[in-house]
Amino acid sequence: EIVLTQSPGTLSLSPGERATLSCRASQSLTSSFLAWYQQRPGQAPRLLIYGASTRATGIPDRFSGSGSGTDFTLTISRLEPEDFAVYYCQQFGSSRLFAFGPGTTVDLK
Amino acid sequence: QVHLQESGPGLVKPSETLSLTCTVSGGSITSPTYYWGWIRQSPGKGLESIGSVYYSGTTYYNPSLKSRVTISVDTSKNQFFLKVNSVTAADTAVYYCARAYVGLGVYDSWGQGTLVTVSS
Repeated sequence: EIVLTQSPGTLSLSPGERATLSCRASQSLTSSFLAWYQQRPGQAPRLLIYGASTRATGIPDRFSGSGSGTDFTLTISRLEPEDFAVYYCQQFGSSRLFAFGPGTTVDLK
Repeated sequence: QVHLQESGPGLVKPSETLSLTCTVSGGSITSPTYYWGWIRQSPGKGLESIGSVYYSGTTYYNPSLKSRVTISVDTSKNQFFLKVNSVTAADTAVYYCARAYVGLGVYDSWGQGTLVTVSS
């Protein structure tokens, strides 16, 4: 079973700053099956990035994903007020099971 | 634009069975492109994948929940279902249904979620 770890647990930043979020897998992943989601308070998660680096439909280009193997990164180039939220990475395994990381909270400094 | 809507009791007694329905509109549940899944989120916690079902009825379950969970599909009603047996307070959570894109291994559309509380 592949375990995802996210760091930091909380990132305190100001609007306009750059956010760098990390997701690490306990075993090497197929990059095609690494995704990132955003969850705002009281809302369902929203798909941001799939295939490690491809933005989902309608996602602004300030969001970017990168990485391979066991280390993946979500970068928000300039934080907008609506970007303060919780971010989850997710992998899809060969057994057709989905697994989420514990999340990183981006909050207002 | 596909829409998913969860429905079911908001309160379940300990040891009983939690049953939820997800109704899909704006798209066919028989599309071979998608799985249909359930995810839950305990209060203040992260996301936990429960499992998913293909339109054929093939299911995939989180090993940690597999012994208590059944996911099924009714293609005639464009619905899929979740049952969790022998619930405890630890099963109190917001339950989401979602559509998963087979080729990408992602949940690309989500329901709004429904809170289920386990309490006597």
